[in-house]
Amino acid sequence: GAVVSQHPSRVICKSGTSVKIECRSLDFQATTMFWYRQFPKQSLMLMATSNEGSKATYEQGVEKDKFLINHASLTLSTLTVTSAHPEDSSFYICSARSGTIYQPQHFGDGTRLSIL
Amino acid sequence: EDKVVQSPLSLVVHEGDTVTLNCSYEVTNFRSLLWYKQEKKAPTFLFMLTSSGIEKKSGRLSSILDKKELFSILNITATQTGDSAIYLCAVEKETSGSRLTFGEGTQLTVNP
Repeated sequence: GAVVSQHPSRVICKSGTSVKIECRSLDFQATTMFWYRQFPKQSLMLMATSNEGSKATYEQGVEKDKFLINHASLTLSTLTVTSAHPEDSSFYICSARSGTIYQPQHFGDGTRLSIL
Repeated sequence: EDKVVQSPLSLVVHEGDTVTLNCSYEVTNFRSLLWYKQEKKAPTFLFMLTSSGIEKKSGRLSSILDKKELFSILNITATQTGDSAIYLCAVEKETSGSRLTFGEGTQLTVNP
């Protein structure tokens, strides 16, 4: 149980392109979903938290107009990197948890984004 | 400021060895401590600890939490090459909206 699916796993595109990443909880209802960014040999950096039906809460220093997050249903959240530039190249990971207390976050497999 | 500190940062052992990974934390309003294993992709969940002194076990892996001393250990016995990974410790707060604060991770390499 507790499977989180993230697509695509790899994206290579030109500078200026917008890229959408999907995160789905397959066998549970995800009240809250999280988006992380991970640089090589570093730990996960939280970008934003989204609750179903609400606007996402962004961490300090994360541009909300650059990283658009939508959490329209209890099983789907999307992250859109708008007008991506090479400095946006990174490993993006989503996680999801149910609304019950003492439930862990479960992670998707991540998306490696390369902007040329 | 909340802190989660893992040690060692890197560890190289031989197959069959037993390893102990450490995680200490300083957070207010502690709710739970979680261990994850990260190989090439995203982290996979290992344990969630909420109470002191109660060992959680899964196969060769076990973990325990000490809320008085503010630390946790993750033990792996009879290590195998497949245990090679980064092990991440994270802490959840009561007041954080379920956000996790991660440690830097311990890179474990198990050589045959």
